[in-house]
Amino acid sequence: GQQLNQSPQSMFIQEGEDVSMNCTSSSIFNTWLWYKQEPGEGPVLLIALYKAGELTSNGRLTAQFGITRKDSFLNISASIPSDVGIYFCAGQLTGNTPLVFGKGTRLSVIA
Amino acid sequence: GAGVSQSPRYKVAKRGQDVALRCDPISGHVSLFWYQQALGQGPEFLTYFQNEAQLDKSGLPSDRFFAERPEGSVSTLKIQRTQQEDSAVYLCASTTIGGFGNGYTFGSGTRLTVV
Repeated sequence: GQQLNQSPQSMFIQEGEDVSMNCTSSSIFNTWLWYKQEPGEGPVLLIALYKAGELTSNGRLTAQFGITRKDSFLNISASIPSDVGIYFCAGQLTGNTPLVFGKGTRLSVIA
Repeated sequence: GAGVSQSPRYKVAKRGQDVALRCDPISGHVSLFWYQQALGQGPEFLTYFQNEAQLDKSGLPSDRFFAERPEGSVSTLKIQRTQQEDSAVYLCASTTIGGFGNGYTFGSGTRLTVV
């Protein structure tokens, strides 16, 4: 099935560093979402974006919905050990269509 | 309950065996989704229910996969004659309103291993 292009695949960073990851698609979406998944758990929603160009923050997390509707990025500032996990982007065309996920970015934080 | 509950958490099946995976959505949630997550991949859509009606089953990979939600609450995903490529985590999600991604609550998943 379709999956979004998410990069990087994995990152190793020092505690306190900022992190940036992005997601691109060959087709447009009208909603972009960012999830975090920890081992043995389901994905948990971090940020939802509904409008092209929108920039939204949630604590140390900031995400943007690209102007072309075909991309989004997520920034995490001042990383901490509990940021470890796999981050997924997801796009949705309309409210009644399924989410399409990226392959994930695995984040490791070195204390 | 407080969250989406899935059982069993782990299932090992011999190739050719039938399996049934259960999802208990959050009480009152109208919409229920099943996703399949292969190792190292993101979740992929399987099927969607609104109450007891299965509105979209376009993601089911073969006719060996069958899902039901007869009373509009608990749902069961059944896989017949399991194959090794069926090994994955099966995630269930529910939401109060039709399909909106921001309202999804995912369960912890069932990890199926076919040997």
